[in-house]
Amino acid sequence: DVKVTQSSRYLVKRTGEKVFLECVQDMDHENMFWYRQDPGLGLRLIYFSYDVKMKEKGDIPEGYSVSREKKERFSLILESASTNQTSMYLCASRYNYEQYFGPGTRLTVT
Amino acid sequence: AQTVTQSQPEMSVQEAETVTLSCTYDTSESNYYLFWYKQPPSRQMILVIRQEAYKQQNATENRFSVNFQKAAKSFSLKISDSQLGDTAMYFCAFMKPANAGKSTFGDGTTLTVKP
Repeated sequence: DVKVTQSSRYLVKRTGEKVFLECVQDMDHENMFWYRQDPGLGLRLIYFSYDVKMKEKGDIPEGYSVSREKKERFSLILESASTNQTSMYLCASRYNYEQYFGPGTRLTVT
Repeated sequence: AQTVTQSQPEMSVQEAETVTLSCTYDTSESNYYLFWYKQPPSRQMILVIRQEAYKQQNATENRFSVNFQKAAKSFSLKISDSQLGDTAMYFCAFMKPANAGKSTFGDGTTLTVKP
């Protein structure tokens, strides 16, 4: 079975902190994605990566950056966390048109 | 840009009955894929069913089937013999094969199956 793991299920950070969200997949997938999920807004794409060191902005990249140094790991970085970044963050990898999701990280910025 | 609309934020159904979730989309593409994903409470999102736009036959996976109307840009999900484990949020999604398979998701429909 494909496994996508995220470093934390719940995270509480203070405004202005630098935050790292880690995602690891174990199936050698080339494409990986970061979404945020907010009530009534569905999933919105933040960034995606189609290979190591290759990344593209999604629909809402402002305030975020990403890193993909190894194929299995895709990190989302909040350079200076703000309260409007309080959300559920979902990571996914893709193979053969199907996306495989991690369990999500619920981030609260106070 | 593609848009995906799910017009039913919440729905409920009695156990063993049938329910249909609606999804419409807007695109100028001719080749694309449509999906329904399921997100149970506090659990990971999983793929329920997939439809290729070039296929006229509606996809079916056990109790789950779709009604794909390409001209109308409609893609509804029918769940037959609903079970308590079907309680979840369901997302409709659109994907173009190119560009790393970037997907556009609807806002979701929360389905509650009542005993």
